Amino acid sequence: DAGVIQSPRHEVTEMGQEVTLRCKPISGHNSLFWYRQTMMRGLELLIYFNNNVPIDDSGMPEDRFSAKMPNASFSTLKIQPSEPRDSAVYFCASSPQGSYEQYFGPGTRLTVT
Amino acid sequence: GDSVTQMEGPVTLSEEAFLTINCTYTATGYPSLFWYVQYPGEGLQLLLKATKADDKGSNKGFEATYRKETTSFHLEKGSVQVSDSAVYFCARKNTGGFKTIFGAGTRLFVKA
Repeated sequence: DAGVIQSPRHEVTEMGQEVTLRCKPISGHNSLFWYRQTMMRGLELLIYFNNNVPIDDSGMPEDRFSAKMPNASFSTLKIQPSEPRDSAVYFCASSPQGSYEQYFGPGTRLTVT
Repeated sequence: GDSVTQMEGPVTLSEEAFLTINCTYTATGYPSLFWYVQYPGEGLQLLLKATKADDKGSNKGFEATYRKETTSFHLEKGSVQVSDSAVYFCARKNTGGFKTIFGAGTRLFVKA
């Protein structure tokens, strides 16, 4: 079975550019989470969705960050404009109904120069 | 609020040594508890879990027991291998909602 799929796996961009990260959750899972991981701040929850509806976006750092989940099989995290301090590994995770176990994707390593 | 505290790393052990990584959680209700492992260059993956007091989660030789009286969920393994080198995260379900609260992670190095 396919796990959580994220694309791209690596992204290098210049400051000021728009960045879009993509996630396909495991089929049948109804919760989706976006995390950011850095050495300095560890693992941070940015936003999570339940049944495609954003439930808690209190972890989104600022208005430059936005996330959507137009359907049960796809989500995006967009940064516009990007800044060097956004450099991190971004993980998407999904969880099935009634379970609190999370299944993580391989992550997208973002470098903003 | 809900939180998880785990021992700081890195922890460096020789192969076949005994491993303990301490974890305590805030005692809000009776949350499900988890240990996740992150190997280099990968996402986190669930290692084991326990859903109620005195439950013991186990997987791949790792064990952790849900201790309500001490609000702890320490991870143990009797004999570590080089392949166990990774970062280990203790976690709890938050009170209400769908979030999981993760600890800061403990990096384990196992030397041959």
